[in-house]
Amino acid sequence: GAVVSQHPSWVICKSGTSVKIECRSLDFQATTMFWYRQFPKQSLMLMATSNEGSKATYEQGVEKDKFLINHASLTLSTLTVTSAHPEDSSFYICSGGTAYGYTFGSGTRLTVV
Amino acid sequence: AQTVTQSQPEMSVQEAETVTLSCTYDTSESDYYLFWYKQPPSRQMILVIRQEAYKQQNATENRFSVNFQKAAKSFSLKISDSQLGDAAMYFCACPRGGATNKLIFGTGTLLAVQP
Repeated sequence: GAVVSQHPSWVICKSGTSVKIECRSLDFQATTMFWYRQFPKQSLMLMATSNEGSKATYEQGVEKDKFLINHASLTLSTLTVTSAHPEDSSFYICSGGTAYGYTFGSGTRLTVV
Repeated sequence: AQTVTQSQPEMSVQEAETVTLSCTYDTSESDYYLFWYKQPPSRQMILVIRQEAYKQQNATENRFSVNFQKAAKSFSLKISDSQLGDAAMYFCACPRGGATNKLIFGTGTLLAVQP
């Protein structure tokens, strides 16, 4: 089945710095990947859709300049949290696959201090 | 707008017993998939079961089965012979726009399994 690898698993960064999260599709080509955010004890909220070779589409209320998405190849999508602040601390998860079954990365726990 | 509602924030079941988790959804699509995902403490999202809306037969995966009522827009998950490893958060999900893979999740049900 489709496998999605997400790195890093956790990261701690200082306020004002940027952090990049990678999501790789290991055994399939992903023209589209999705990025979710999950706060503690809450559900997953879709942030943006990453499209290979074109601009990402963002959900309402998500700052595109804060959360930069790049999908330069069919196997790699990245999410960069720019000028991170403590309120950006959260669990970020990527997803890819087909309508038959969506596979999720293992998630990245971001803590901004 | 599409919505997914899980009305049970927490549920508890005795080991080896059966439990049913509820989910209702709202969509204007005629052809779509519905999903149940499990999120254990590791926070890895694991697909439990999938139902295709055009199929009347309820999906079954080993101890997991669904009761899909299309007219009522209800999609409940039944876990039989519950095991300690079933303890997790369970999310019901419906793709936005029908067959696309942009998922809308319910608020989740935290399932505890008592030994």
